[in-house]
Amino acid sequence: EIVLTQSLGTLSLSPGERATLSCRASQSVSSNYLAWYQQKPGQAPRLLIYGASSRATGIPDRFSGSGSGKDFTLTITRLDPEDFAVYYCQLYGGSSYTFGQGTKLEIK
Amino acid sequence: EVQLVESGGGLIQPGGSLRLSCAASGFSVSSKYMSWVRQAPGKGLEWVSVIHTGGTTYYADSVTGRCTISRDTSTNTLWLQVNSLRAEDTAVYYCAGAPRYYYYAMDVWGQGTTVTVSS
Repeated sequence: EIVLTQSLGTLSLSPGERATLSCRASQSVSSNYLAWYQQKPGQAPRLLIYGASSRATGIPDRFSGSGSGKDFTLTITRLDPEDFAVYYCQLYGGSSYTFGQGTKLEIK
Repeated sequence: EVQLVESGGGLIQPGGSLRLSCAASGFSVSSKYMSWVRQAPGKGLEWVSVIHTGGTTYYADSVTGRCTISRDTSTNTLWLQVNSLRAEDTAVYYCAGAPRYYYYAMDVWGQGTTVTVSS
């Protein structure tokens, strides 16, 4: 079973700054099936990035994804106040899905 | 409008059963991989089960043998039957749809239904 580790539990930044969130898989995975989600309190998750680097419909271009193999990154340039939330990476493995434990992006 | 609406949650005694439903609109439940994902209070997301477009089903180890996922294309509804409920099943349960063109990432989610297992 592949484990996804988001090393930062909490990241404290200010609006306007750049956020870099990481997600590491326990073994090399296909980047096609790596996704990122945003979740705000009391809301369902929202798909941001699929295929490691493609933005979902309606997602602002300040969100970008990159990576391959075991290491993946979600970057948010110029943080907007509405971007402070919890972010999860996710892997689709054919017969199951795995989520990282999440990184909380909080206002500094 | 593409939408998912869950229902069926509530307060259930340990050992009990419940059936969650997820009504889809704006698309067919058979056109996407449909999953149930849960979130325990204050915790992260945990995938529970998926039904593929072809009807194949898979389950997380934590619910294997206790859960059954199904869909009804005539009513465009996804279901999750959960038996032998335990305290650790307490969570908000979301249904979500994942299309092939997004490499099966979940692009549509319901608002969630809360299940509380307690005596």
